[in-house]
Amino acid sequence: QKEVEQNSGPLSVPEGAIASLNCTYSDRGSQSFFWYRQYSGKSPELIMFIYSNGDKEDGRFTAQLNKASQYVSLLIRDSQPSDSATYLCAVIGGSQGNLIFGKGTKLSVKP
Amino acid sequence: DVKVTQSSRYLVKRTGEKVFLECVQDMDHENMFWYRQDPGLGLRLIYFSYDVKMKEKGDIPEGYSVSREKKERFSLILESASTNQTSMYLCATDGGADTQYFGPGTRLTVL
Repeated sequence: QKEVEQNSGPLSVPEGAIASLNCTYSDRGSQSFFWYRQYSGKSPELIMFIYSNGDKEDGRFTAQLNKASQYVSLLIRDSQPSDSATYLCAVIGGSQGNLIFGKGTKLSVKP
Repeated sequence: DVKVTQSSRYLVKRTGEKVFLECVQDMDHENMFWYRQDPGLGLRLIYFSYDVKMKEKGDIPEGYSVSREKKERFSLILESASTNQTSMYLCATDGGADTQYFGPGTRLTVL
């Protein structure tokens, strides 16, 4: 069974700090990696995707991928209380090439 | 913007009832998905469809069926609802390169 693992948290950071969210995956052949944000009571919203080793930056968000170590991370710079949500890591790797989701890390940004 | 709508935000049904959950997308996407999300278990794929009248089982298809008669509409059917099907149901569409966009979700309670 291919798996995606995340620390469930909660991860608590002060406003303005860098929040670092990590994810590991079991399928070495996975090629596509996604980060979703989910506010309480809402549906997941795609915020980043990354396909190549290294860093990908989009505003305050940076996704980092290390295929050799099978981990992908999301950094949120200058964290804001509005960033408080659960962050889901997802990897293409199901038996039919579907998305497999981690269970999410709950982030809390304290003012 | 991709728009994915689901027929109900909240639904309460009784054990044994037949339940229809509908999902409509307005972007002419071919791939559509149904997930359920439960605390501690994360998002799990129930069924997906790559085209009209096509359907594929996901990881947890038991107790569910689907229908895709038109490209924009993907329905999830609970043939005989049971209490263990109480959950948040999320529809998603694939915007290309496996980037999935979710509807607002239907919170189903089976009494």
